[in-house]
Amino acid sequence: QVQLQESGPGLVKPSETLSLTCTVSGGSISSYYWSWIRQPPGKGLEWIGYIYYSGSTNYNPSLKSRVTISVDTSKNQFSLKLSSVTAADTAVYYCARESSSWYRGYYYYYMDVWGKGTTVTVSS
Amino acid sequence: SSELTQDPAVSVALGQTVRITCQGDSLRSYYASWYQQKPGQAPVLVIYGKNNRPSGIPDRFSGSSSGNTASLTITGAQAEDEADYYCNSRDSSGNHPFGGGTKLTVL
Repeated sequence: QVQLQESGPGLVKPSETLSLTCTVSGGSISSYYWSWIRQPPGKGLEWIGYIYYSGSTNYNPSLKSRVTISVDTSKNQFSLKLSSVTAADTAVYYCARESSSWYRGYYYYYMDVWGKGTTVTVSS
Repeated sequence: SSELTQDPAVSVALGQTVRITCQGDSLRSYYASWYQQKPGQAPVLVIYGKNNRPSGIPDRFSGSSSGNTASLTITGAQAEDEADYYCNSRDSSGNHPFGGGTKLTVL
């Protein structure tokens, strides 16, 4: 059974770079999309971006200038870097595995495995 | 447009049926997936594709889609179904935005 675990600093100073890693256990990182999602306190889910195991990426346009997602297949890990953080980046950060398939010409994507989330606070 | 729109809050009497909707242009091309989130917990996938349930999700949860609207239906809502529900889909730019979420209250 695949499990995901986020790790990284819980406190980041304003203007610095937030760095998180998601470790995949119980399965291979190959053949899936790997996503980062965040949730500010009391608010909804926000998709940050994904990386395909081969290395191709796609980012939320509102965060694109500050986000980098990378993958290390040898360690079964993928990572998130968010630069120039402000208090607005304070949130619970989740990593998730995303699968894709299709039915009668319609593609669909779904996040079927999630990490438990890690809280990141941006404060001096 | 990559925006997905959900009603902020919906309520249902115990044992009754409730439909939670999600609207967006991308839903004309891609099926939505639905996630249940209870306080302090990570989201859980409940419906994906045309109408698929992951193992362990009760069959009172079902999904449907028509035009630009995807729906999550709970038939015979239980107290434990009280939660926030989010839809998600891919858009034409390859982004995967979430809807704003619907808070379901079971009365």
